[in-house]
Amino acid sequence: ETGVTQTPRHLVMGMTNKKSLKCEQHLGHNAMYWYKQSAKKPLELMFVYNFKEQTENNSVPSRFSPECPNSSHLFLHLHTLQPEDSALYLCASSQDPGQGYHEQYFGPGTRLTVT
Amino acid sequence: AQKITQTQPGMFVQEKEAVTLDCTYDTSDPSYGLFWYKQPSSGEMIFLIYQGSYDQQNATEGRYSLNFQKARKSANLVISASQLGDSAMYFCAMREGTNAGKSTFGDGTTLTVKP
Repeated sequence: ETGVTQTPRHLVMGMTNKKSLKCEQHLGHNAMYWYKQSAKKPLELMFVYNFKEQTENNSVPSRFSPECPNSSHLFLHLHTLQPEDSALYLCASSQDPGQGYHEQYFGPGTRLTVT
Repeated sequence: AQKITQTQPGMFVQEKEAVTLDCTYDTSDPSYGLFWYKQPSSGEMIFLIYQGSYDQQNATEGRYSLNFQKARKSANLVISASQLGDSAMYFCAMREGTNAGKSTFGDGTTLTVKP
């Protein structure tokens, strides 16, 4: 595997379900990111992890819970979501953002539909 | 105020011609980085080009160049010799100051290359 991978690619869940999105990067990066991309809004940064530590939580509702067990893996745990949470969830990684403005490498995304 | 403004929701260009996608930004920080990403219909965001605020020369990467006008706070993407595979959504993004982990994205421009 190369680059950034995300699973599942598509997910349909009810509002009472609990599910998790997984992201893995094979680029040796130290920072990982979750973004939400809705049809009518610009790309929204949700969380940033650098060296496994959360450095950014962009006022995300608690029904989204991130987890970063190591620099290569990032999870987004979902529970009691709302229909407006339906979106494309993109994971990205980069070199240490504390050491310059590095480009991000994105995964293919998980298309989430909340019914 | 929006930090990144892309005023062209959609653009059309003839194959083999050049096209300019506009991006203006707003920051009071003297240190920042500007990025362009391409998002094909498959969903994966692809990094294209980077320009640092202190860079003296405009960035170039193959057929992509960035027309950086600092005083006007604009960072337009120029694609030369357009190809059908260039049809995609294009996003301008900025990282600024010491919070280099936080990226702000514009609304995007949909480019369609006509044969």
